[in-house]
This record gives sequence, C-alpha cells and structure tokens, in this order.
Amino acid sequence: QVQLVQSGAEVKKPGASVKVSCKASGYTFTSYGISWVRQAPGQGLEWMGWISAYNGNTNYAQKLQGRVTMTTDTSTSTAYMELRSLRSDDTAVYYCARVRVSVDTARNYYFDYWGQGTLVTVSS
Amino acid sequence: QSVLTQPPSASGTPGQRVTISCSGSSSNIGSNTVNWYQQLPGTAPKLLIYSNNQRPSGVPDRFSGSKSGTSASLAISGLQSEDEADYYCAAWDDSLNGRYVFGTGTKVTVL
Repeated sequence: QVQLVQSGAEVKKPGASVKVSCKASGYTFTSYGISWVRQAPGQGLEWMGWISAYNGNTNYAQKLQGRVTMTTDTSTSTAYMELRSLRSDDTAVYYCARVRVSVDTARNYYFDYWGQGTLVTVSS
Repeated sequence: QSVLTQPPSASGTPGQRVTISCSGSSSNIGSNTVNWYQQLPGTAPKLLIYSNNQRPSGVPDRFSGSKSGTSASLAISGLQSEDEADYYCAAWDDSLNGRYVFGTGTKVTVL
C-alpha cells in the first residue's frame, strides 16, 4: 500500500533552516510528483510547491521563492523540503503529498496520498 | 490569503443533507478541475473528491461533487457523526506561473 512517512518534529530558532523528509513506499517513486503543503496552527492549507520525482523539475509558490528548495533522492524514494531564514510565521505542520496530474481540456491536479505531517516550531 | 472562498461553517443533524460551496475565478475553477479534501481533527487531509465529481476508492457515495462555471459544491447526504471535520476545496490556478490553491475551509458540525 502507498505510504508517505515524514521525519519528526523540529524546533528551530528564527533565521535557521529546516529540512523535512518524506519517504515513499508502495509505488514507483519516479512515476509521480511530490507536493508540500503547510498548515499554521488553527489555519487553512497552503500549497508550497511541488517536485517531479521523474526529472526533478520544481514549481514553488511565489511567496516562498528564494527560501524553499525541494529535492528528491530516487535511490531511497525520499523527497525533501528545505526552508531557510525561518520566521515565527513559518510555524506550522508541514505535509508531503503524492501528486496526480493530467491535462486534457483542463488541468487535473490533486493529492491522493498524504504524509502524517511534521510540526515545525520556530521560536527564540 | 486563500483564492477560493468557502463558508466558514455548516451544520446538520444526522441523516440530513449538507452542501458546501466553493467560489473561485476563471483562472482556477473556471479553467481546471476541482478537488475536495476532508480533514478530521488532528489528522492529515484526505482526498474526498477529485476531477470535480469522482470519488476515490473507499469514499462513501454519500459524498458528491459538482462544478458550474467558476463555482463548485460538495454535498454530504445522510450526514453521519464521523463526517464532522474540516472540508477544503482546491484547484490548479493558471496565474502566477501556475499554483495550487485551496479554499478557506468549512467546518462541518453534526448537531
């Protein structure tokens, strides 16, 4: 069965960086993309971007450009999300999710499996 | 802020039908398909509806989705206590080099 297992909770100081991992199993890793979504405490879902595990192409949310990097290691079927220059408003649960995408007359883009989430707390 | 607008809350008694709306624009719902996610308290979101009206395997047929123009809706018929959760609509948006946008979220309460 498809599983996405994320790394554990992190506590970071403002200005630091965090790198969250997402290990995939149960499917051919390079056949799908991985997206990252975050959720601040008590707030809604925010798309951070995604990476094609096939060719490494990325598309980041404009507000995070320059601070976020998404990578994959196909040898271990693991995706990574690094966020730099952390601020207090980066405190959130970070989720990875498997991307399904197809384009015909419209773009069909959605997440069919999600990781369990990783709490990142930014505090001095 | 979220690009797709949902009502903050909805409620019903067991067995009732509840509908949640999702309003967008021509660059997202008007051009691409809509998905819905259910988030139970303290858990990761779960795909509920994809491609406007398709249910993944395992999702009860009490849940149905529809889309018209730049709006979409999720209907829950035969409401059950375990349906109490947050619901988010989402769609690809063609603006700003492309991005995925979520709705503001709707908290469904079973009275």
